[in-house]
Amino acid sequence: GAGVSQSPSNKVTEKGKDVELRCDPISGHTALYWYRQSLGQGLEFLIYFQGNSAPDKSGLPSDRFSAERTGGSVSTLTIQRTQQEDSAVYLCASSLFGGVDTGELFFGEGSRLTVL
Amino acid sequence: DQQVKQNSPSLSVQEGRISILNCDYTNSMFDYFLWYKKYPAEGPTFLISISSIKDKNEDGRFTVFLNKSAKHLSLHIVPSQPGDSAVYFCAASPSGSARQLTFGSGTQLTVLP
Repeated sequence: GAGVSQSPSNKVTEKGKDVELRCDPISGHTALYWYRQSLGQGLEFLIYFQGNSAPDKSGLPSDRFSAERTGGSVSTLTIQRTQQEDSAVYLCASSLFGGVDTGELFFGEGSRLTVL
Repeated sequence: DQQVKQNSPSLSVQEGRISILNCDYTNSMFDYFLWYKKYPAEGPTFLISISSIKDKNEDGRFTVFLNKSAKHLSLHIVPSQPGDSAVYFCAASPSGSARQLTFGSGTQLTVLP
């Protein structure tokens, strides 16, 4: 498809398990972002990839969270030893370059993570 | 510390009337503002934006107003339609940097037929 694709759309896991969330950005978009939205909260920035530059990881809440982007395209967000407070919708977005003045980020539908 | 605040979690308006969604910010470095709309089970989609050099931007039924002195912006939808029912997020950034976008918590708009 032409849009940002995320998988899985829903994931239920047990506390302490590791999870991987995948994002396939729009072809040709050099910038990729991960956000999460907890219940009743706004979108919280997690990590940003721009081309071949080192990622901006400043939004990752703990060292249990990591992300990589292979070949400048697909990205995987990994959460190790999940906790109940990790339950949220994890949203991936991409944009052509990385500047907001070109218009907007294109978001995927999100991956809803529930940690029991 | 919420730098972008949407104090109304929900708003209901009658079809055909005006919807006004409000957003306040605290960071004076913010100079670019956006509104996103989100339907259930979908990602947010860009709606309209405004730069701090302007105080109004209009796109069809949607108009965003910016009051820099009050650090306040609002989204007006007129006339409102049932298809406008969604969660609306306000977002702001300094220097047009998408990396530094800060989002509000959203307002659920319901347009009643």
